[in-house]
Amino acid sequence: AQSVAQPEDQVNVAEGNPLTVKCTYSVSGNPYLFWYVQYPNRGLQFLLKYITGDNLVKGSYGFEAEFNKSQTSFHLKKPSALVSDSALYFCAVRDLISSGSARQLTFGSGTQLTVLP
Amino acid sequence: DAGVIQSPRHEVTEMGQEVTLRCKPISGHDYLFWYRQTMMRGLELLIYFNNNVPIDDSGMPEDRFSAKMPNASFSTLKIQPSEPRDSAVYFCASSWASSGANVLTFGAGSRLTVL
Repeated sequence: AQSVAQPEDQVNVAEGNPLTVKCTYSVSGNPYLFWYVQYPNRGLQFLLKYITGDNLVKGSYGFEAEFNKSQTSFHLKKPSALVSDSALYFCAVRDLISSGSARQLTFGSGTQLTVLP
Repeated sequence: DAGVIQSPRHEVTEMGQEVTLRCKPISGHDYLFWYRQTMMRGLELLIYFNNNVPIDDSGMPEDRFSAKMPNASFSTLKIQPSEPRDSAVYFCASSWASSGANVLTFGAGSRLTVL
């Protein structure tokens, strides 16, 4: 079984400060990991993914995420937050060894990021 | 491409009525997913299709829910009869197998309110 946890429902950060949105996962094999963002009244948008290779993944809008296998984490980061980054962020995981119907994404519960001006 | 197109964007109906939500995926995508989002339960996968064939419908809440994909460019999610607890935002998403695994493109969602 695969699962993902986002331990913080809400993260507040001042504009210009670095931000981190946390995600931990559990899979049987090696994971595919994803971050999606949801702005109000919109669908989720893909930000970035980790499949293999470099543990630091760069994505859209200046976001990056670091894959840490020993800590089973995939935290989302940005060096300098913008007010426009305020949104709901979802981490998702898929187990590489799964087949058939198990090859679906499992989404976390979401973290509301608020960047204060 | 205009992205994943969902209709209606908002639907208000009374308990017991039939509700049909529609989705047009991105052309060329071979996977289509229906999700439901609520405050209490978060984002739930209801069903997904590959090449128009339903692969996993284990997330469909009960027999009142049904989904079809008659062709590669159209899918429907039907609730009959609807109940107040079905109130949620329903998202359709699509992807293609060569996209590097599960890079989904979501529609804007259909907000359903059942009174």
